[in-house]
Amino acid sequence: EAGVAQSPRYKIIEKRQSVAFWCNPISGHATLYWYQQILGQGPKLLIQFQNNGVVDDSQLPKDRFSAERLKGVDSTLKIQPAKLEDSAVYLCASSLGGGVWETQYFGPGTRLLVL
Amino acid sequence: GENVEQHPSTLSVQEGDSAVIKCTYSDSASNYFPWYKQELGKRPQLIIDIRSNVGEKKDQRIAVTLNKTAKHFSLHITETQPEDSAVYFCAASPHDAGNMLTFGGGTRLMVKP
Repeated sequence: EAGVAQSPRYKIIEKRQSVAFWCNPISGHATLYWYQQILGQGPKLLIQFQNNGVVDDSQLPKDRFSAERLKGVDSTLKIQPAKLEDSAVYLCASSLGGGVWETQYFGPGTRLLVL
Repeated sequence: GENVEQHPSTLSVQEGDSAVIKCTYSDSASNYFPWYKQELGKRPQLIIDIRSNVGEKKDQRIAVTLNKTAKHFSLHITETQPEDSAVYFCAASPHDAGNMLTFGGGTRLMVKP
């Protein structure tokens, strides 16, 4: 079974530039999550999708971050404009459904450095 | 919202010794508690989880205990091996929040041969 795929793996940009990350979940997984993991900290949930609908985006900085999952499969996360404090690993995860107790499978992450 | 505290932040043990990592949570509605292992530069991977209807779960050298009254849960690794060296994260998910996980800050475990 193929795992969660993410690209790019690394990205270096200057502050105020824009950047986009892509995620392809495990086939058949209805729920997709984006997490931000700052160095030395645990992952922090940014947004959760159930199919193509948003379940929760309460921790997404909506003035600069946006995410979409138009066809209920792949998803993109965008930052515009980027700030220095956005430097982090952005992890995508997926689960079969959105129910409690379901295992979330993580992708390899995209490491973003904002200079 | 949920808040998860994890201790210690670093833990160094000799190979063959046991390691214990503890987490506390704030939301009494939380009822799912997974543990993830993250090796350097790799993705987090689930190693064990526990649901609120049980107090303990074991899988070979790994066990997790849950005390809902005190709102804390712990990861126990016995007979540690160098390949257990990694960062371990606990997490909690409230029943009324779908599958939203709140993670602890992580514990860096170092197993010295």
